[in-house]
Amino acid sequence: NAGVTQTPKFQVLKTGQSMTLQCAQDMNHNSMYWYRQDPGMGLRLIYYSASEGTTDKGEVPNGYNVSRLNKREFSLRLESAAPSQTSVYFCASSEGGGGANVLTFGAGSRLTVL
Amino acid sequence: AQSVAQPEDQVNVAEGNPLTVKCTYSVSGNPYLFWYVQYPNRGLQFLLKYITGDNLVKGSYGFEAEFNKSQTSFHLKKPSALVSDSALYFCAVRRTWGNAGKSTFGDGTTLTVKP
Repeated sequence: NAGVTQTPKFQVLKTGQSMTLQCAQDMNHNSMYWYRQDPGMGLRLIYYSASEGTTDKGEVPNGYNVSRLNKREFSLRLESAAPSQTSVYFCASSEGGGGANVLTFGAGSRLTVL
Repeated sequence: AQSVAQPEDQVNVAEGNPLTVKCTYSVSGNPYLFWYVQYPNRGLQFLLKYITGDNLVKGSYGFEAEFNKSQTSFHLKKPSALVSDSALYFCAVRRTWGNAGKSTFGDGTTLTVKP
């Protein structure tokens, strides 16, 4: 049982390049999330999808787009990468979007933008 | 708006001593509160949560947390620390109504347990 799987684990981009981070979960969860983690700033929500077919902005959505491809998969796209997007990105999922649902996290994707 | 404060960037304790990692929160109405732990180069793992009822919540690996509504706090505790408890700990809050999916995390506290 893999849980939440993110690819790639590491990526180096040049300013202006684009890329997509992939995320898949096998727990039949309804809700999925993308967070970024920066030193001393905790986790900040970029986008989330409360259920298949819906997406919503989080705290820091600028420069990102998302696609909820199906119930299992939720991708994060950087159209034109900037050095400020250097970060560790975490995908997470939960059974439902609200309540006391626990988040299950992937192992993270470390992105460096030069 | 909701927010979480973890006032200590770093907590150092000796193995076998009790540990406390502090968390205070701000939220409209009643909160759901969570603690997660992150080991190096790993994603966050769930430790415990407060929903309602008993103010003392027990979780994984011998950790517990005490909810104090008047002080808006949810401190993480363990009676006897292990070296293997060394990790980064995050407190998170979500309000019990609306705002589906939006958990707010604190900045994290690095716990170091020395032998």
